[in-house]
Amino acid sequence: GDSVTQMEGPVTLSEEAFLTINCTYTATGYPSLFWYVQYPGEGLQLLLKATKADDKGSNKGFEATYRKETTSFHLEKGSVQVSDSAVYFCALSDRAAGNKLTFGGGTRVLVKP
Amino acid sequence: ETGVTQSPTHLIKTRGQQVTLRCSSQSGHNTVSWYQQALGQGPQFIFQYYREEENGRGNFPPRFSGLQFPNYSSELNVNALELDDSALYLCASSLAGTNEQFFGPGTRLTVL
Repeated sequence: GDSVTQMEGPVTLSEEAFLTINCTYTATGYPSLFWYVQYPGEGLQLLLKATKADDKGSNKGFEATYRKETTSFHLEKGSVQVSDSAVYFCALSDRAAGNKLTFGGGTRVLVKP
Repeated sequence: ETGVTQSPTHLIKTRGQQVTLRCSSQSGHNTVSWYQQALGQGPQFIFQYYREEENGRGNFPPRFSGLQFPNYSSELNVNALELDDSALYLCASSLAGTNEQFFGPGTRLTVL
């Protein structure tokens, strides 16, 4: 079945540092890929998405490129802020499976001033 | 535009009891999905409802059941609660045929 693997955290960074969170996936079909963010005590917010190979999703300075050849969708941000401290989830959905979301385990990011 | 809302925010139950969680979908959305998020883990798909029918189910036992109403709101029912059912339960709404889901804030269930 479908699965998502992302790097374990926590990831601790200083403000203005470069952030990368690795995500790889396994899927039988042609999934869409997502990054969601969860702030403490809240639900999930969609950060960005990509629906086909070589698409780049971007939002709020975050970027991720759908790489079919390496089955990856790594999240990057060039200069993090304290407000980026949160848990980040990589996920995929497959239209053949009714667009249910399959999530990775999450990566906690802590940005220090 | 009203977002996805869930009630209650928090709930404490004892083992063996039954619980009902509620979700109102975002305006214009006709599909509701439920997820269970155990502490420190990613959400796991429970089931999805479309046109008041279950439209896909994850690896959860039958004591997890749901309903969708004509106004697209939804309920998640869990019978015979177990300690491992303690989790954050997330509801997400979407428009059928699209792949973008919008999540509510969740209901934190604690089973003692």
